[in-house]
Amino acid sequence: NAGVMQNPRHLVRRRGQEARLRCSPMKGHSHVYWYRQLPEEGLKFMVYLQKENIIDESGMPKERFSAEFPKEGPSILRIQQVVRGDSAAYFCASSPTRAGGQETQYFGPGTRLLVL
Amino acid sequence: GDSVTQMEGPVTLSEEAFLTINCTYTATGYPSLFWYVQYPGEGLQLLLKATKADDKGSNKGFEATYRKETTSFHLEKGSVQVSDSAVYFCALRGGSQGNLIFGKGTKLSVKP
Repeated sequence: NAGVMQNPRHLVRRRGQEARLRCSPMKGHSHVYWYRQLPEEGLKFMVYLQKENIIDESGMPKERFSAEFPKEGPSILRIQQVVRGDSAAYFCASSPTRAGGQETQYFGPGTRLLVL
Repeated sequence: GDSVTQMEGPVTLSEEAFLTINCTYTATGYPSLFWYVQYPGEGLQLLLKATKADDKGSNKGFEATYRKETTSFHLEKGSVQVSDSAVYFCALRGGSQGNLIFGKGTKLSVKP
């Protein structure tokens, strides 16, 4: 059973470009969480999605950031008009049911975004 | 709001030394507590967890006990190995939707 997949693993963008980060949850998992890890910092929650629904986006910046988890295909975290401060590692995690229960979140290897 | 505080690193130890990484938390209710480990260039792996007071999580020689009275979840290992070199994150499951709240991480380096 493959783990959580993220691609690309590394992404370089120039200021003002768009960044698209993809996350394929573990098989059978329908819940996805996105976290951001700034240099020398812990992970910060960004958004929680189920298939076709955003459940909680309280940690996501109001502008330039969006996320989706369509019925088919991976979850996408999209950053428009990137700035240098967006440089970070972005991790997604999946769980089979809502993680407020007893289910563990399984993390992907992350996408390291560098904005030049 | 909920938060996690863990000791700052880096921590440098010799092989076979005893390890303690302190972690305390602030939360309403009784959150589940976790330790995750991150090896260089990789994602986070769950190391151990505890879901209620006095529970002890253990894995690969690491242990942590959920202490409600001191709101702590300190990570310990009796004899570290070079392969334990990594960044360790303490976390609690908080928020209304179960998102994890992480400490800043503690980098451990074990020298042969």
